[in-house]
Amino acid sequence: EDKVVQSPLSLVVHEGDTVTLNCSYEVTNFRSLLWYKQEKKAPTFLFMLTSSGIEKKSGRLSSILDKKELFSILNITATQTGDSAVYLCAVASGFQKLVFGTGTRLLVSP
Amino acid sequence: DAGVIQSPRHEVTEMGQEVTLRCKPISGHDYLFWYRQTMMQGLELLVYFNNKAVMDDSGMPKDRFSAKMPNASFSTLKIQPSEPRDSAVYFCASRIGTVGISNQPQHFGDGTRLSIL
Repeated sequence: EDKVVQSPLSLVVHEGDTVTLNCSYEVTNFRSLLWYKQEKKAPTFLFMLTSSGIEKKSGRLSSILDKKELFSILNITATQTGDSAVYLCAVASGFQKLVFGTGTRLLVSP
Repeated sequence: DAGVIQSPRHEVTEMGQEVTLRCKPISGHDYLFWYRQTMMQGLELLVYFNNKAVMDDSGMPKDRFSAKMPNASFSTLKIQPSEPRDSAVYFCASRIGTVGISNQPQHFGDGTRLSIL
């Protein structure tokens, strides 16, 4: 059975800290790994990774994939209170299906 | 651009009642997905469509759930009869499926928070 595991389950940091969120997976027919940010409503897309070792960046967020060891990390530098959210990792297994982890709940305190 | 639009935003109803959730995907998106999110299970795929046809409904309890997509801009997820364990947030997502663009993310609506009493 396809599985995506995220760690830690929750995290509390102070503004300005750097955080690393982890995602490991076991899926058949891997196609891509995606990170989403979920605040109160819809998950919003952050990154899609398909190749190992190529870092994706967007402002203070970055992510990298290791297809040999079957994991990805999401880094957030200089955290702000607006970064508080649940971060979801999902893996595209087969052509269309996404398998989601249960998420990491991040709280950034002022 | 309008995103994925879901209605209603909230629904509270009594056990045994029929519930209908609605979704309008992003215009031009070929794929539509219905998910259920609970604290215990996270986001689970119930069913998805490609060009209005059901491609995979293996995640959907078929004795009480049904999903339809009568046209490219509208889909419904129906629960009949509803049970308290169906209480969750139901998300609809859509994705472009143009040939040659194989890796595109799914875009989510704001969800319907369903409470079955």
